[in-house]
Amino acid sequence: EDQVTQSPEALRLQEGESSSLNCSYTVSGLRGLFWYRQDPGKGPEFLFTLYSAGEEKEKERLKATLTKKESFLHITAPKPEDSATYLCAVQASNTGKLIFGQGTTLQVKP
Amino acid sequence: SQTIHQWPATLVQPVGSPLSLECTVEGTSNPNLYWYRQAAGRGLQLLFYSVGIGQISSEVPQNLSASRPQDRQFILSSKKLLLSDSGFYLCAWSGTSYGYTFGSGTRLTVV
Repeated sequence: EDQVTQSPEALRLQEGESSSLNCSYTVSGLRGLFWYRQDPGKGPEFLFTLYSAGEEKEKERLKATLTKKESFLHITAPKPEDSATYLCAVQASNTGKLIFGQGTTLQVKP
Repeated sequence: SQTIHQWPATLVQPVGSPLSLECTVEGTSNPNLYWYRQAAGRGLQLLFYSVGIGQISSEVPQNLSASRPQDRQFILSSKKLLLSDSGFYLCAWSGTSYGYTFGSGTRLTVV
């Protein structure tokens, strides 16, 4: 069964304190792994797509990496505006559907 | 550019009342369309998806139904709402390398 597990469920950081969010997955054929950011009361906003193990993508303070079993979202020197829920999803090549993890809620305190 | 519109943003409905949420996509043709529900503190659950006009696939048995009367229009409906139908409903369409693009969501509270 295709499955996505994110950890931790919640993360509190001080401004400038770097950390990583984990996304572990099992899927029968990976078409792509996606990271989204979701602010309260809004729809998820696309951040990154990763297609193969070893691939890395960067955007400002965020860097996403991918292995055959998991993905990490590294946050370097976070700011309060980085506070949000970060969602990971995998797209199975046989169905094309996106399967989401439960999300990690990040709070960055000034 | 492609945009997705979803309304209303919030809705409070009594138990037993009907429901109609609408989603439209602009700037693309023949998109795959999806309805997701997000319960408080939980991930996104796929409810329905559509690959074309009149073509609807249901992922989970429930009190809801979906229709696609036009290429870029996707509607989520219920004849009689239950308390358990409360949640945050998201419409999405699938592009190419960006996975799915989501609408702004509808917060439904059934009272």
